[in-house]
Amino acid sequence: NAGVTQTPKFRILKIGQSMTLQCTQDMNHNYMYWYRQDPGMGLKLIYYSVGAGITDKGEVPNGYNVSRSTTEDFPLRLELAAPSQTSVYFCASSPGQGLSPLHFGNGTRLTVT
Amino acid sequence: DAKTTQPNSMESNEEEPVHLPCNHSTISGTDYIHWYRQLPSQGPEYVIHGLTSNVNNRMASLAIAEDRKSSTLILHRATLRDAAVYYCILINAGGTSYGKLTFGQGTILTVHP
Repeated sequence: NAGVTQTPKFRILKIGQSMTLQCTQDMNHNYMYWYRQDPGMGLKLIYYSVGAGITDKGEVPNGYNVSRSTTEDFPLRLELAAPSQTSVYFCASSPGQGLSPLHFGNGTRLTVT
Repeated sequence: DAKTTQPNSMESNEEEPVHLPCNHSTISGTDYIHWYRQLPSQGPEYVIHGLTSNVNNRMASLAIAEDRKSSTLILHRATLRDAAVYYCILINAGGTSYGKLTFGQGTILTVHP
């Protein structure tokens, strides 16, 4: 059972470039989330989804876009990369809201120079 | 949202018990107390959660104060693999948080051989 899989593991972007961070889960979870973690800090929620076709903004959505066309996939899009987006990005999923534990991927480390 | 306060760091020796405190003086009646931990270069991992009563599972125990304004995560015998950042998080089961987690900086646990 793979759980939550994120690709790529590492990426270096130049300012202004675009990229998509991929996230796939095989647990048939309805809820999926994108967090970012800056060095020495906790995680901040970027976007989340409560099911296919439904997405909503989290705490720090500016500069990012998401889509949820299937239950399994929740890609995160960076359109015009900026140095402030240098961070580690974590995708997570859960079967339901509230009390259900989140299952996290191992992250994508992104550097924008 | 109710906030939590944790010590920045704690140290323990291998095979000794560890008590990780968390203060949440503004907790509401429908807030559940969750603990996650994050090992180096990995995504956060669910540890345990509870509402009012103490809870035990294979990983740890959770002791909740009678007034619920504080809680303690107990690792009964610390191992080197328990060295991680531990996050105490409140989740409102009755709200519209959709499982969104608010991560603070957590407690860095160092385990000495």
